[in-house]
Amino acid sequence: AQSVSQHNHHVILSEAASLELGCNYSYGGTVNLFWYVQYPGQHLQLLLKYFSGDPLVKGIKGFEAEFIKSKFSFNLRKPSVQWSDTAEYFCAVTTSGTYKYIFGTGTRLKVLA
Amino acid sequence: DTAVSQTPKYLVTQMGNDKSIKCEQNLGHDTMYWYKQDSKKFLKIMFSYNNKELIINETVPNRFSPKSPDKAHLNLHINSLELGDSAVYFCASRPRDRLNTEAFFGQGTRLTVV
Repeated sequence: AQSVSQHNHHVILSEAASLELGCNYSYGGTVNLFWYVQYPGQHLQLLLKYFSGDPLVKGIKGFEAEFIKSKFSFNLRKPSVQWSDTAEYFCAVTTSGTYKYIFGTGTRLKVLA
Repeated sequence: DTAVSQTPKYLVTQMGNDKSIKCEQNLGHDTMYWYKQDSKKFLKIMFSYNNKELIINETVPNRFSPKSPDKAHLNLHINSLELGDSAVYFCASRPRDRLNTEAFFGQGTRLTVV
């Protein structure tokens, strides 16, 4: 069955530090990949998505992600985090095998001012 | 205009009660979903409807019954509420249940069963 793994469950960074959150999926066919952010008490918002084309995807709020097909990975990056980036981050995938969204377990990011 | 709206935002109720959560989307999407987010923030799909037809029904207790009167609405009815039903329930919609489409989420309904 398809699955998504986020290995970093909790990340604590100081402001201006660089961020990389890992996301790996298990599926050999065509995939769409997403990163969503959930600020405290709020709904899920789309940060960025990959459907096809350039594997380096730029999203909102200075985030980017790189799709590495050979590694089944879609890691999220930001060169310099801000206190306001404190949130829960979810990686998700849809596949050509099943079109439903499959979410990772989430990474809780805390940025210290 | 809120694209995907859920009501109520908060719901506190006693064990054994029956309650409903409503979801409406004004995006013209064909596919709608219900997700449950537990206390550990894990998001799990419960149901999916495509043009009022049920297409995904994960292993959810029979006490949960989705109803889609039209493709813009997907309501969730829960019978005989239990403590373990306490969670945040998210509704989402998507143009269609296919690749190359993204889902839009509602603001969530925090259900607390006491």
